[in-house]
Amino acid sequence: QVQLQESGPGLVKPSETLSLTCTVSGGSMSDYYWSWIRQPPGKGLEWIGYIYYMGTTNYNPSLNNRVTISIDTSKKQFSLKLKSVTAADTAVYYCARGQRGYIYWGQGTLVTVSS
Amino acid sequence: DVVMTQSPLSLPVTLGQPASISCRSSQSLVHSDRNTYLNWFQQRPGQSPRRLIYKVSNRDPGVPDRFGGSGSGTEFTLKISRVEAEDVGVYYCMQTTHWPGTFGQGTKLEI
Repeated sequence: QVQLQESGPGLVKPSETLSLTCTVSGGSMSDYYWSWIRQPPGKGLEWIGYIYYMGTTNYNPSLNNRVTISIDTSKKQFSLKLKSVTAADTAVYYCARGQRGYIYWGQGTLVTVSS
Repeated sequence: DVVMTQSPLSLPVTLGQPASISCRSSQSLVHSDRNTYLNWFQQRPGQSPRRLIYKVSNRDPGVPDRFGGSGSGTEFTLKISRVEAEDVGVYYCMQTTHWPGTFGQGTKLEI
């Protein structure tokens, strides 16, 4: 059974960079896309972007070029960096497997942007 | 971006009765590869989203057969034939035909 687990700081200061890692277990990273999705408290879901295991990426333009997703298949991890964060970036961040459909999700991690 | 509009946003239901959620897209979701990438997710309170349906009508493994998806083009429907207590939560449609992928606002199903 494929499992994903997000990790990273739960509190980030405004204007700094949010950094999260998703660790994959129970399956290979090869041949799959890996995605990040977020959900502000009490609100709906927003697709952030994805990375193919070979490194090709696609990001949501609404994030104004602040996003970078990277992958390290040897560690079975992929990562999210979101720079210049504001309070509007406070959300539960989920990692998921897939490009066009997400059957495996992490449990999510709450990141709060506050000084 | 493709706008996904769900209705209703709140759905009070009676146990054992059917329920239906509508999802409309601002443009056709038929991809050039002829697939329609329309997913339905269930999010129970305090949990991660769970995919129920992919490509309009394909049920994921382990999803009860009381859940069914239908539709085409720009109009899609998730139907629950007989609502059970465990179905409480928020349901989202999501399109991944066009980038960026976009979600509907969510429909809160309450008993």
